[in-house]
Amino acid sequence: AQSVTQLDSHVSVSEGTPVLLRCNYSSSYSPSLFWYVQHPNKGLQLLLKYTSAATLVKGINGFEAEFKKSETSFHLTKPSAHMSDAAEYFCVASLDNFNKFYFGSGTKLNVKP
Amino acid sequence: AAGVIQSPRHLIKEKRETATLKCYPIPRHDTVYWYQQGPGQDPQFLISFYEKMQSDKGSIPDRFSAQQFSDYHSELNMSSLELGDSALYFCASSLGGNQNSPLHFGNGTRLTVT
Repeated sequence: AQSVTQLDSHVSVSEGTPVLLRCNYSSSYSPSLFWYVQHPNKGLQLLLKYTSAATLVKGINGFEAEFKKSETSFHLTKPSAHMSDAAEYFCVASLDNFNKFYFGSGTKLNVKP
Repeated sequence: AAGVIQSPRHLIKEKRETATLKCYPIPRHDTVYWYQQGPGQDPQFLISFYEKMQSDKGSIPDRFSAQQFSDYHSELNMSSLELGDSALYFCASSLGGNQNSPLHFGNGTRLTVT
């Protein structure tokens, strides 16, 4: 069955330290994978996407993610957290061409001063 | 670049009233999705349309209906509103039939039912 799992519901880091938000997918197909960020009371903003080209994908605001087929993972990283990164992050997969998206349950990132 | 437009941004209704939310997708996007996000909750998929036909259905109450029009905009109609319908409603659009096309979200309509 197709699914997306975000392994941590909450992550807390100190400002200036690295961020790692974990995402695994389950699918029989080659996925397209996306990371979105949602700040409170705002819409979801696309951070980056993987669509079977380069496995290391760079996005906006210094974020990047690496697609690892052998691990069925697409973890989101950032070398140095900023206070403005505090938000909720969603990993989303498109697993076929039938206009269906699978959402992870979200990871709330807290950044401490 | 043009984004997904939702109207209105805020809506206040009383119980048992009706509400209509509108969504204008990015130009050339033919697929529209509706999501409901309650306070402190993750977005829940309601319904989607591709080329003016219902594509998929999620946890949409029977009191709600939606459609996509010939210009690809979509409307979500909500009747017999309940207090529990208070939420942020998001619309997203994408290019249908293309796995690589991401969802592009609007800024949402905040519905408050009193």
